[in-house]
Amino acid sequence: EVQLVQSGAEVKKPGESLRISCKGSGYSFTSYWISWVRQMPGKGLEWMGRIDPSDSYTNYSPSFQGHVTISADKSISTAYLQWSSLKASDTAMYYCARRSYDSVGYYYDYWGQGTLVTVSS
Amino acid sequence: QSVLTQPPSASGTPGQRVTISCSGSSSNIGSNTVNWYQQLPGTAPKLLIYGNNQRPSGVPDRFSGSKSGTSASLAISGLQSEDEADYYCAAWDDTLSGYVFGTGTKVTVL
Repeated sequence: EVQLVQSGAEVKKPGESLRISCKGSGYSFTSYWISWVRQMPGKGLEWMGRIDPSDSYTNYSPSFQGHVTISADKSISTAYLQWSSLKASDTAMYYCARRSYDSVGYYYDYWGQGTLVTVSS
Repeated sequence: QSVLTQPPSASGTPGQRVTISCSGSSSNIGSNTVNWYQQLPGTAPKLLIYGNNQRPSGVPDRFSGSKSGTSASLAISGLQSEDEADYYCAAWDDTLSGYVFGTGTKVTVL
């Protein structure tokens, strides 16, 4: 069974650093890109960027470039999303998702359960 | 800000048909396939439709998708109470080199 299991909720202060994780199981982790998606309270979904776990190639949405870092450790089938200096506006639910690709195009077929990040002084 | 536009809300009574539109541009819907995601309250999004009109295993055939030019639509026929959720369209955008989601539509079953 394919699963993406994310790390637990975090409460941080502005200026602190944070890394959240997403562990894949039940499939070949290096065969599928992992993306991160932000959902601010009461708002819609925003694609942040993606990583190819086979070679750690990344690309980011212009809205998030420079503000977060996406990485992966293929030896433990885990992807990460990290911040070096959190802001209150980073308060949101963050989802990881697996990208599949076939003859009909790209789509995200499996999602993590979400990690709630709260940034407050 | 989202580059795919959806109506903020849609509603219907049980058994009715509800349609949700998704408007994009030549760089996203016009040149790539459209996917739809369902997000039930308090849960992670779930893939509902991929490749414009394909249903993943387990998704009821009450849900159907279509695409024409730079627009797409999701139809829910035989609306049921468990269909109350937020629905998002999405597609790859060649100009942004990224995946874009629609603004989202909240479906209410009256």
